[in-house]
Amino acid sequence: DTEVTQTPKHLVMGMTNKKSLKCEQHMGHRAMYWYKQKAKKPPELMFVYSYEKLSINESVPSRFSPECPNSSLLNLHLHALQPEDSALYLCASSQWGGVSEQFFGPGTRLTVL
Amino acid sequence: SQQGEEDPQALSIQEGENATMNCSYKTSINNLQWYRQNSGRGLVHLILIRSNEREKHSGRLRVTLDTSKKSSSLLITASRAADTASYFCAPNQGGKLIFGQGTELSVKP
Repeated sequence: DTEVTQTPKHLVMGMTNKKSLKCEQHMGHRAMYWYKQKAKKPPELMFVYSYEKLSINESVPSRFSPECPNSSLLNLHLHALQPEDSALYLCASSQWGGVSEQFFGPGTRLTVL
Repeated sequence: SQQGEEDPQALSIQEGENATMNCSYKTSINNLQWYRQNSGRGLVHLILIRSNEREKHSGRLRVTLDTSKKSSSLLITASRAADTASYFCAPNQGGKLIFGQGTELSVKP
């Protein structure tokens, strides 16, 4: 299985809602990533988990809360988001982390009303 | 801070022609990676070139890296309509990929 899956594909939420994005890989990769991508812009790194521990947080606001329950799963918990947080959220994984190539999921298109 | 800058921002060619995209970056890197993204979808890894390599090939792709000039180029030969996508360079600095603004390639049949 050489795939990174993300659910849901689309999510619409209000500013007072709490929701979660999910990401899963079964390639035995030890690093997982969250990126945010606005329209016509490049992906921006948010978080990196290496061996299930948070290794990089790119000064992301606390309304985004990542979680790595095990080596195959990565969640992004969302709470009290703003309309400007609307974007495509991409999950990726890599074999070792750091210098390896990254495999991306299809993304979750998030709209905050 | 943005690491990769790409040129051109948009490129339109006919099927069968070659497409060249350039990338410049600012600091030392572990490697440099190129990715493709079809509209609104996930990114697909194309090729990785290490900092001690100068050129790498993969099928119709050729990537060069000049660390003295802090630049890289991606050449797609004999382009096809299916190559239409956005292409991003991603210099790897300290284990983090910092994506460039991307080149939007349009290949017309």
